[in-house]
Amino acid sequence: GAGVSQSPRYKVAKRGQDVALRCDPISGHVSLFWYQQALGQGPEFLTYFQNEAQLDKSGLPSDRFFAERPEGSVSTLKIQRTQQEDSAVYLCASRPREDNGEQYFGPGTRLTVT
Amino acid sequence: AQSVTQPDIHITVSEGASLELRCNYSYGATPYLFWYVQSPGQGLQLLLKYFSGDTLVQGIKGFEAEFKRSQSSFNLRKPSVHWSDAAEYFCAVDFPGGYNKLIFGAGTRLAVHP
Repeated sequence: GAGVSQSPRYKVAKRGQDVALRCDPISGHVSLFWYQQALGQGPEFLTYFQNEAQLDKSGLPSDRFFAERPEGSVSTLKIQRTQQEDSAVYLCASRPREDNGEQYFGPGTRLTVT
Repeated sequence: AQSVTQPDIHITVSEGASLELRCNYSYGATPYLFWYVQSPGQGLQLLLKYFSGDTLVQGIKGFEAEFKRSQSSFNLRKPSVHWSDAAEYFCAVDFPGGYNKLIFGAGTRLAVHP
């Protein structure tokens, strides 16, 4: 079946612009995660949804970052007033249940802020 | 603080040689353990995971990993490397009680010489 998809795959933004990154998880998956992967680093946790509820947003680096999953399926990560340090690959992952188990990752969105 | 260490940033092996990638974690109890592989422009693909039971786990593509509680390690091995194994490898742990988010190591980039 279809895996996790993300769009756009690449995004170039001028500093100060707002961006929105979309994640389509695997159908029926309860859990959804966002991670940020800076160049040469491992992914770092940003936020976690269980259905439509955002249960953990401890990894969001600033109040310019906002995520939502209003109907418990598609999620959007929004970054306001982008800064150069926001340049990274943003990965979305989904998991069938709310408990432990494999997370299925999308291909990521590469954001470059100029 | 909980952390994951992959001591080797870059490893080069010859095709057909054996491989061992190291991973250590810092935590008081046994977490869930994962190895992911990331090829350029691709998302993360799960190679194998350890939750409990037999400490030697088999994964896809001929990889295996051994959990050693006394060393807080989960090293990835492959007896004979293929050129297509060239990629970045990430060890990740899922610490209980943290909404099951993954904490990743910084990754090991594997190059394979013909």
